Amino acid sequence: RKEVEQDPGPFNVPEGATVAFNCTYSNSASQSFFWYRQDCRKEPKLLMSVYSSGNEDGRFTAQLNRASQYISLLIRDSKLSDSATYLCVVKSAGTYKYIFGTGTRLKVLA
Amino acid sequence: DGGITQSPKYLFRKEGQNVTLSCEQNLNHDAMYWYRQDPGQGLRLIYYSQIVNDFQKGDIAEGYSVSREKKESFPLTVTSAQKNPTAFYLCASSSSSYEQYFGPGTRLTVT
Repeated sequence: RKEVEQDPGPFNVPEGATVAFNCTYSNSASQSFFWYRQDCRKEPKLLMSVYSSGNEDGRFTAQLNRASQYISLLIRDSKLSDSATYLCVVKSAGTYKYIFGTGTRLKVLA
Repeated sequence: DGGITQSPKYLFRKEGQNVTLSCEQNLNHDAMYWYRQDPGQGLRLIYYSQIVNDFQKGDIAEGYSVSREKKESFPLTVTSAQKNPTAFYLCASSSSSYEQYFGPGTRLTVT
């Protein structure tokens, strides 16, 4: 089983739609969680960290469920510019090693 | 401007040659990392360094070498022993448990 798993997609959604991605992790000692966005042939860019109580940044909401060991990303009112691959990243306490999922591809259609 | 720089953006080499990829950061981060990404695949960790003069192998270190003589710099050498070196190479840095930031990457093509 992979340490971090994501549905590769693609998720094809119309502009204005709400879309959600989940990411599961296997290490219960994981303590830090992040969502990154990666555009084609570019470097990953931090979208948001995921806090225990959940957090929101504009149209983006991230949630953490420790009991079921998954994190989620919700995008409301999708824009064409949201089209990208979304990477889930997990880090255990006391280590410098980040574990990346393979990403979920989102296409927002006009 | 604070950030991570990688050079060159594109690099072409003949098989059998060693090549060194540059990575510099001015974020004052302790930890630095090298990843490799192949088309349609996730990031795979090659090497990482938590402090100067110390580094650890990642999941796919064979055929690669690194050095960390300065906090700001973490060059990666792709040796001729690396069987499939053509890939997108990403350097990153982080401070303790916080977020990781990436450089723009170097696309290496070996023919």
